[in-house]
Amino acid sequence: GAVVSQHPSWVICKSGTSVKIECRSLDFQATTMFWYRQFPKQSLMLMATSNEGSKATYEQGVEKDKFLINHASLTLSTLTVTSAHPEDSSFYICSANPGLAGGREQYFGPGTRLTVT
Amino acid sequence: GESVGLHLPTLSVQEGDNSIINCAYSNSASDYFIWYKQESGKGPQFIIDIRSNMDKRQGQRVTVLLNKTVKHLSLQIAATQPGDSAVYFCAEIIYNQGGKLIFGQGTELSVKP
Repeated sequence: GAVVSQHPSWVICKSGTSVKIECRSLDFQATTMFWYRQFPKQSLMLMATSNEGSKATYEQGVEKDKFLINHASLTLSTLTVTSAHPEDSSFYICSANPGLAGGREQYFGPGTRLTVT
Repeated sequence: GESVGLHLPTLSVQEGDNSIINCAYSNSASDYFIWYKQESGKGPQFIIDIRSNMDKRQGQRVTVLLNKTVKHLSLQIAATQPGDSAVYFCAEIIYNQGGKLIFGQGTELSVKP
């Protein structure tokens, strides 16, 4: 149990376009989801906390207008990278939490590799 | 700012040997510490966690030690196997900060056959 999927697993887009990444909890309901970004040979950096039915909470330094997060249901959160630039190329990972407010039980998705040309 | 960091960025061990991966943290208010394993191109995989009021916890072939005096966390892997080759991250949870995970730098473990 506790499977989190992401789609797509990899995507290549042109500079200036927008890309949407989906995160789904397949066998549990997730009231909280988290979005991370990971550059090569670096750690995971938390971008935002997504709560079902409410606005996402962004970490300091993360542009909310550039990285749009929508958590419209208990099994789906989406991250849209708007007006993508080459420096947005990264590995984006989501995690889902079945509890009310985060905690140990975070299940991670397989990640989405974004390349902006 | 507060962060969780690691002493060694890379670690190479011989198959069958024991591995020790270290992590230093700076936030005394952390509630839990977790070790994750990340293989290339994949998401992190939970290994083991330890509550802040404990000093040792054992799992299958893994042991986590917590020394709150010096704010140090370690992951010991017994009889390391080639399949253990990956990047290992420690992370901390602070519940009064929304329960979000703060990840450390990471250590790349390479197991030689």
